[in-house]
Amino acid sequence: NAGVTQTPKFRILKIGQSMTLQCTQDMNHNYMYWYRQDPGMGLKLIYYSVGAGITDKGEVPNGYNVSRSTTEDFPLRLELAAPSQTSVYFCASRTLLRGPFPADTQYFGPGTRLTVL
Amino acid sequence: DAKTTQPNSMESNEEEPVHLPCNHSTISGTDYIHWYRQLPSQGPEYVIHGLTSNVNNRMASLAIAEDRKSSTLILHRATLRDAAVYYCILRPTQGGSEKLVFGKGTKLTVNP
Repeated sequence: NAGVTQTPKFRILKIGQSMTLQCTQDMNHNYMYWYRQDPGMGLKLIYYSVGAGITDKGEVPNGYNVSRSTTEDFPLRLELAAPSQTSVYFCASRTLLRGPFPADTQYFGPGTRLTVL
Repeated sequence: DAKTTQPNSMESNEEEPVHLPCNHSTISGTDYIHWYRQLPSQGPEYVIHGLTSNVNNRMASLAIAEDRKSSTLILHRATLRDAAVYYCILRPTQGGSEKLVFGKGTKLTVNP
């Protein structure tokens, strides 16, 4: 399994441009997430999806849009990029760890480093 | 989600044990304690989780205080590849919000 893959790895945008960050997972996980991480900070949830056709907002959704037409793909769209969206973006998918203490765990992609100038 | 408190940074020498503390005094009885780590320029990765008793896996051990108000992630022999930011996160066993609440974590430096 490739796990969670993200493209591109790096991107520089000008203010007002738009782009789509791609995320694909091959583990057949229903739950998928988009986070952003600003320098020196923890991760903040942007959007998440519980399955194909179902998405919901996280804590910082403004300026972003998502869609989920297949189980595998969960693209993140930036419309009218702003300098405040300069960040590293991580996509993740979730599974349930079985055993004596079953619990969900998230698998993260390698991230996309976005700079908006 | 209940809050956790971790030291900003810690240092260790290679091949020595490392004990990374986490305080979670407002933990509820149904919260799991999860640990993730983030290596430089990579996404976070799951390390270990537990509920009440101590847990071991191939990456680390998790020691949980009897009152569950604190826990310690133990790396038995630190290597240079263990240099990362370590996050302690609480998750309800059922329900709860979808997000993993990542604080600033503890930045572990491993000296050769």
